[in-house]
Amino acid sequence: DSGVTQTPKHLITATGQRVTLRCSPRSGDLSVYWYQQSLDQGLQFLIQYYNGEERAKGNILERFSAQQFPDLHSELNLSSLELGDSALYFCASSAGLAGAEQYFGPGTRLTVT
Amino acid sequence: DQQVKQNSPSLSVQEGRISILNCDYTNSMFDYFLWYKKYPAEGPTFLISISSIKDKNEDGRFTVFLNKSAKHLSLHIVPSQPGDSAVYFCAARLTNDYKLSFGAGTTVTVRA
Repeated sequence: DSGVTQTPKHLITATGQRVTLRCSPRSGDLSVYWYQQSLDQGLQFLIQYYNGEERAKGNILERFSAQQFPDLHSELNLSSLELGDSALYFCASSAGLAGAEQYFGPGTRLTVT
Repeated sequence: DQQVKQNSPSLSVQEGRISILNCDYTNSMFDYFLWYKKYPAEGPTFLISISSIKDKNEDGRFTVFLNKSAKHLSLHIVPSQPGDSAVYFCAARLTNDYKLSFGAGTTVTVRA
């Protein structure tokens, strides 16, 4: 158990809909990262927050947004969903701003039908 | 753009033998490399790492080797155990960057 929690574990929704994925980092960790893993692909970095502020952005679509709240939990919002958004979404956390050793949650499997 | 590549999607090894996983990268500015292990229905778990100023790091049965001139790193697992059956991801970080770049993963199967 990494100490990072993600909800929900599974999500099935239709194209055009909007969903919110939630992540709670390990106790004491200030950085939260979001990754997307599509079928047979490695993890693609989406976005990082550190202590409530956005610090780094990867190949995140404009339809996607995230935020980190004062209690340090984070939410990833995906809107106008398309079939290609079906993937595993992982949240990770680290203690510092540039933490190389990141601790991952169990992921949320999103299926868009 | 795939800056970290794991060219072998799968590896099968007999229990007790050595598992060697390979990873190549293209960006010479990577300064830190990591290996993660992932079981089905779980998130990746940090396994071992190496800084670009070293060429070897060992932790129990796991050893990572880094060849900077070849932009290549490898993970050796000796001896391989059934519990090592998982997907292994190679990852790299740029100097002063915040994100990790991951390879596509290698599925290791340890046969009894």
